[in-house]
Amino acid sequence: EAQVTQNPRYLITVTGKKLTVTCSQNMNHEYMSWYRQDPGLGLRQIYYSMNVEVTDKGDVPEGYKVSRKEKRNFPLILESPSPNQTSLYFCASSYDYQVYNEQFFGPGTRLTVL
Amino acid sequence: AQKITQTQPGMFVQEKEAVTLDCTYDTSDQSYGLFWYKQPSSGEMIFLIYQGSYDEQNATEGRYSLNFQKARKSANLVISASQLGDSAMYFCAMREGLDSSYKLIFGSGTRLLVRP
Repeated sequence: EAQVTQNPRYLITVTGKKLTVTCSQNMNHEYMSWYRQDPGLGLRQIYYSMNVEVTDKGDVPEGYKVSRKEKRNFPLILESPSPNQTSLYFCASSYDYQVYNEQFFGPGTRLTVL
Repeated sequence: AQKITQTQPGMFVQEKEAVTLDCTYDTSDQSYGLFWYKQPSSGEMIFLIYQGSYDEQNATEGRYSLNFQKARKSANLVISASQLGDSAMYFCAMREGLDSSYKLIFGSGTRLLVRP
């Protein structure tokens, strides 16, 4: 089944404790992206990747890191999480960067930072 | 200025009736994509339908159709024969080019409740 998977689905952590949210897609997609969804602010892009080893900042990259060592994986790293990073996080992928290609979303990771 | 505007925060529809969810967009790009996503209470984002800026015909996908009026910059979603399972948040989104990092730009959403 073609899908985007994320782990963990739910995470409660404390300020400053490094964490990684994994994202993997099995559709051989080139473009991958991370979004966060917050009430009143909608979905905002954190980072994106056009292909392996090609990543760039989105609208709200502060406090996050990413890497794209393999085509299928695009982990999101929070080196020192803070409470303002409490959010619902989505990983998404599309065949490539063309504007006509839909982005497929993972199931979401609900993160709470205490 | 908002790039994607959804003016209906919430809507009700009777089961089996049709409903239209409004979406207007703002872009100076000639090439762009318009998308609708459904987010049920469980939280996942489900792709429903898309319309390309150069497509002359309105997109359809099962019970979903997109009423695309390019000159008015509107891309309304029409759901025919509503079902109880259609109750969810619906987001209109646009995908532009390099200047927008090819991301999806989302509207604020419309919460649809289907009454039995």
